[in-house]
Amino acid sequence: GDSVTQMEGPVTLSEEAFLTINCTYTATGYPSLFWYVQYPGEGLQLLLKATKADDKGSNKGFEATYRKETTSFHLEKGSVQVSDSAVYFCALRDDYKLSFGAGTTVTVRA
Amino acid sequence: GAGVSQSPRYKVAKRGQDVALRCDPISGHVSLFWYQQALGQGPEFLTYFQNEAQLDKSGLPSDRFFAERPEGSVSTLKIQRTQQEDSAVYLCASAPSGRTDTQYFGPGTRLTVL
Repeated sequence: GDSVTQMEGPVTLSEEAFLTINCTYTATGYPSLFWYVQYPGEGLQLLLKATKADDKGSNKGFEATYRKETTSFHLEKGSVQVSDSAVYFCALRDDYKLSFGAGTTVTVRA
Repeated sequence: GAGVSQSPRYKVAKRGQDVALRCDPISGHVSLFWYQQALGQGPEFLTYFQNEAQLDKSGLPSDRFFAERPEGSVSTLKIQRTQQEDSAVYLCASAPSGRTDTQYFGPGTRLTVL
C-alpha cells in the first residue's frame, strides 16, 4: 500500500539555522502530500500541502515541493525560531485516508 | 469557531476493561475519522464515517474495536476487553465534506492500559 518515509530525528538546531526534513513516498497513483505539525501539548495541525506534481506548498516560512521524479516532499525553512520546536509529520492522502510518517522531533535552541 | 474536541483527554484502564472515547467534530462537518497513534509513531487510520454511515473500518485492529456515529455528529470509539497493546493516543479528525477536504484533528485521548 501507499506509505511515507521521513527522516528520523531528533533534530536539534540553533535559532536562525536552516532546517530540512526529508520525506519520500511510495504510491501507485498521484496522492496529495501534506506536512502536519504537532506543537507540545497540542493536536495535529496542517502546516502545508501540495496536490499535484511541481506544486509548492508554503506556510509560516516553511516550504515543500511535490517532486514526482524523486517521489519526495522535503520540508524546508530558511531561518528557524524557538517557536518552531515541534514534531513534524509527512503524510499522503489516498482517497480519504491519510498515511503518516513516523514523525521528526525538532528542537530549536536560542 | 470551536475545533474538534475529544474526551476524556486521558484514560487509564485495567486490562480487560471496556472503554469509550468520545469525539465532537466541528459543527457541520460531514466526514469523521479515527486514527491510532502509538508512542513515537505517526497516526494510523482506523475508520471513516460520512454522516452516520461507516464507509471504511478496515483499520480497526480487531473485533474488540467498534465505532459509531448514530446521528451523524458525535462519534464514539469503543474498545472492549482492553489489552496492553491498545495503549496509544486515539485521534479524531473531521472534514467539511467530500473525500479530499483538509482533515482537522482533535487533541486526542491518551489511553493507558495497565
